[in-house]
Amino acid sequence: GESVGLHLPTLSVQEGDNSIINCAYSNSASDYFIWYKQESGKGPQFIIDIRSNMDKRQGQRVTVLLNKTVKHLSLQIAATQPGDSAVYFCAENNGDSWGKLQFGAGTQVVVTP
Amino acid sequence: SQTIHQWPATLVQPVGSPLSLECTVEGTSNPNLYWYRQAAGRGLQLLFYSVGIGQISSEVPQNLSASRPQDRQFILSSKKLLLSDSGFYLCAWTGTVAKNIQYFGAGTRLSVL
Repeated sequence: GESVGLHLPTLSVQEGDNSIINCAYSNSASDYFIWYKQESGKGPQFIIDIRSNMDKRQGQRVTVLLNKTVKHLSLQIAATQPGDSAVYFCAENNGDSWGKLQFGAGTQVVVTP
Repeated sequence: SQTIHQWPATLVQPVGSPLSLECTVEGTSNPNLYWYRQAAGRGLQLLFYSVGIGQISSEVPQNLSASRPQDRQFILSSKKLLLSDSGFYLCAWTGTVAKNIQYFGAGTRLSVL
C-alpha cells in the first residue's frame, strides 16, 4: 500500500548547526502534511504543518519544504539545541474525512555538544 | 484551552488479565478520537478511531476493543491480554475546525508479562 517513509533513521547534529530531516511519500492524493516531535516516553507534539498548495512554510526555528514533483517533504531546524533531541515523524492526510493520518517510521535526532 | 488526559501512565499486567485504558478530552466538543499503539523504536499504528458517541471504527483486527461512552471519553479494552499487546498506547483528538491536526496524550506504557 502507499506509505510515508523516512530516508534516515538516525541523524546526529552538532549543537548550533542546522538539521534537515527528510520524508518521502508515495500517495499523490495526499494534500496535507504534518511534522511531529516525540521526546522519549512522551506523546508526539505538533510542530508544523503544510498544505499541498504550498511549497514552504516557516515557524519558530523550523521550516517545512514540500516538493510535490518528487513527493518529498523536509523539516529544517535552525541552530539545533539539545532540547531538539527527539524522534521526528512526518504524517500525511490523503483527504480522509475522518482526519486519519499515515505516519512515517520516524527519524531519531541526536544533538551533540 | 483544550487538554487531553490519559491514564495510567504505566501499567504492568499478567498475560490473560483484562485491560482498560482511559482517555478524556477537555475544552472541546464532538472531537474525533483515536487510539494508537507504538512499538519500541517504531512508528504509530492506528488501532481505532471514533467520530461520535458509540461510533467506533477498527483499523486492525486484534485482541483489543474500544468504546466511547461519552462525547469526550475514549476507552481501550481487552478481555485477555497477550504478550504481543505490550507497547506504548497513545490517545489523540482532532477538533471540529482543524480536523487534520491530531493532538496526543502523554501515553500509557503497557508491559504484559
